[in-house]
Amino acid sequence: GDSVTQMEGPVTLSEEAFLTINCTYTATGYPSLFWYVQYPGEGLQLLLKATKADDKGSNKGFEATYRKETTSFHLEKGSVQVSDSAVYFCALSGSGGSYIPTFGRGTSLIVHP
Amino acid sequence: DGGITQSPKYLFRKEGQNVTLSCEQNLNHDAMYWYRQDPGQGLRLIYYSQIVNDFQKGDIAEGYSVSREKKESFPLTVTSAQKNPTAFYLCASSIDKNQPQHFGDGTRLSIL
Repeated sequence: GDSVTQMEGPVTLSEEAFLTINCTYTATGYPSLFWYVQYPGEGLQLLLKATKADDKGSNKGFEATYRKETTSFHLEKGSVQVSDSAVYFCALSGSGGSYIPTFGRGTSLIVHP
Repeated sequence: DGGITQSPKYLFRKEGQNVTLSCEQNLNHDAMYWYRQDPGQGLRLIYYSQIVNDFQKGDIAEGYSVSREKKESFPLTVTSAQKNPTAFYLCASSIDKNQPQHFGDGTRLSIL
């Protein structure tokens, strides 16, 4: 079946540091790929998406590129802020025609001033 | 603004009691989902519905029930058969399988 693997957290950074959160996947067909962010006590919010190979999703300084050859969708940001502290989830959907998305376990990011 | 509304935000259950969590969306989405999230854990799918009057079990459906009588509504009942119901419950919807999900703000269920 489909799966999404994210790097384990927590990831702890100082403000203005460079962020990478790794995400790799296995899936049938050509799924869409997503990054979601969850702040404490809230639901998940879509951060960015990519629907086909080599697409780059971007939002609020975050970027991720859909790499079919390496089955990866790593999240990056050039300079993190304290307000970026949250849990980040990588996910895929549409694989093999399924309506059921597959989520990674989430990576907690803690940014210190 | 369109979105998903979950209520209540906090809910307490007594022993042997069934409780119902509400989920309403005005996004005109066909598909709706219920997830359970335990502290420090990812999301686990309880039930999902692709269309009105149809729903399917997810990975952890035991002790839960749902209905989908209207497109806008997908309530989740946590029955007394669910022995460990304390968790954060999230409802989501999507317009189709290749599009992202929209999530509500969740309901936190605890045992009295």
